[in-house]
Amino acid sequence: QVQLQESGPGLVKPSETLSLTCIVSGGSITSYYWSWIRQPPGKGLEWIGYIYYSGSTTYNPSLKSRVTMSVDTSKNQFSLKLSSVTAADTAVYYCASHLYRSGYYHDAFDIWGQGTMVTVSS
Amino acid sequence: EIVLTQSPGTLSLSPGERATLSCRASQSVSSNYLAWYQQKPGQAPRLLIYGASSRATGIPDRFSGSGSGTDFTLTISRLEPEDFAVYYCQQYGISRITFGPGTKVDIK
Repeated sequence: QVQLQESGPGLVKPSETLSLTCIVSGGSITSYYWSWIRQPPGKGLEWIGYIYYSGSTTYNPSLKSRVTMSVDTSKNQFSLKLSSVTAADTAVYYCASHLYRSGYYHDAFDIWGQGTMVTVSS
Repeated sequence: EIVLTQSPGTLSLSPGERATLSCRASQSVSSNYLAWYQQKPGQAPRLLIYGASSRATGIPDRFSGSGSGTDFTLTISRLEPEDFAVYYCQQYGISRITFGPGTKVDIK
């Protein structure tokens, strides 16, 4: 069973770059599409973007200018960088895998990491 | 961008009762690519339904999804104590994936 674990700094200064990594265990990173999703405290969910093991990416247009995702197949992990952060980027950040059913991928998320809280503050 | 609206914002029910949650899209969701999630405090969301009506692995059959186009419904036939949580719908019919604001199901 695939498991996901996010890691990265819990505190980032305004204007700096937020960097997170998601380690995939129990399965190969080459088997799925992978997304980042965030949730500000007490609020709803926002999809950030997804990446395939080949490096192909699709980003949320509202964040596209600040987001970079990458994948390291040798370490079975993928990463998120969000630049020029402000307090509005304070959130729990989740990594998640896309559901694979009936021979194709759905952009629905069936396996999630536990989430990591990132606070933007000086 | 497809905007999802969920109603009601809060649903107060007793265990054993039926819950009906609504998700309305600002434009038609292609191929009924609509999912539902359950989230409890301090936990990641859990996928319940995908493709508007297909239950995810391990989801009890008291959860069912229906609808098409712009109107979708999640029904919990008989609420169990562990079902009190926040429920989100999500559309993935176009490249920009969006979530609804959520419906909280709490104990009456």
